[in-house]
Amino acid sequence: IAGITQAPTSQILAAGRRMTLRCTQDMRHNAMYWYRQDLGLGLRLIHYSNTAGTTGKGEVPDGYSVSRANTDDFPLTLASAVPSQTSVYFCASSDSLSTEAFFGQGTRLTVV
Amino acid sequence: GQNIDQPTEMTATEGAIVQINCTYQTSGFNGLFWYQQHAGEAPTFLSYNVLDGLEEKGRFSSFLSRSKGYSYLLLKELQMKDSASYLCAVRHRSNDYKLSFGAGTTVTVRA
Repeated sequence: IAGITQAPTSQILAAGRRMTLRCTQDMRHNAMYWYRQDLGLGLRLIHYSNTAGTTGKGEVPDGYSVSRANTDDFPLTLASAVPSQTSVYFCASSDSLSTEAFFGQGTRLTVV
Repeated sequence: GQNIDQPTEMTATEGAIVQINCTYQTSGFNGLFWYQQHAGEAPTFLSYNVLDGLEEKGRFSSFLSRSKGYSYLLLKELQMKDSASYLCAVRHRSNDYKLSFGAGTTVTVRA
């Protein structure tokens, strides 16, 4: 089934540890995004990529990095996790041929 | 930049109609989206407006006025399964697919 997949589904992480959230899509979409969702704040854009090989900073990029080596994969890395990064993380993808963005099922991350 | 405002919560009775308003201020505009998100799940696409007017899709309709920076989502014949968060989102420019989201409106449908 075509779509967008995130891993892991949930994770408890010790503060200071490094963590990579994985995101893969098989729809050949140009653009991919990482959002975090916190209660009362809605979805906030962390980083994005309009095409393979390029990335850009979103609204809340600090403490996160991304790479886009190919069209399908867009991993998000927390170099040294802090408790304020506790959140639900959603990966999404879209392109000029689709009016909507498709979301992965989310990764619930708790930093303790 | 942009500000996107929508009410935090709304409650309605099964079978009734609810209208969720969204106002936005943005330096560029290339479409307004509504997404539905059930608790613990991913957002799913409901509607898209890029021109002024009403778009109807079954029990759901969405309206846009670009000059007023205003949209609404109308949910008719409410069902219990419509209890969810409804997210208003704006796309900035035609060559940039990023979406900016409002905080979401939680709709509770009561029997």
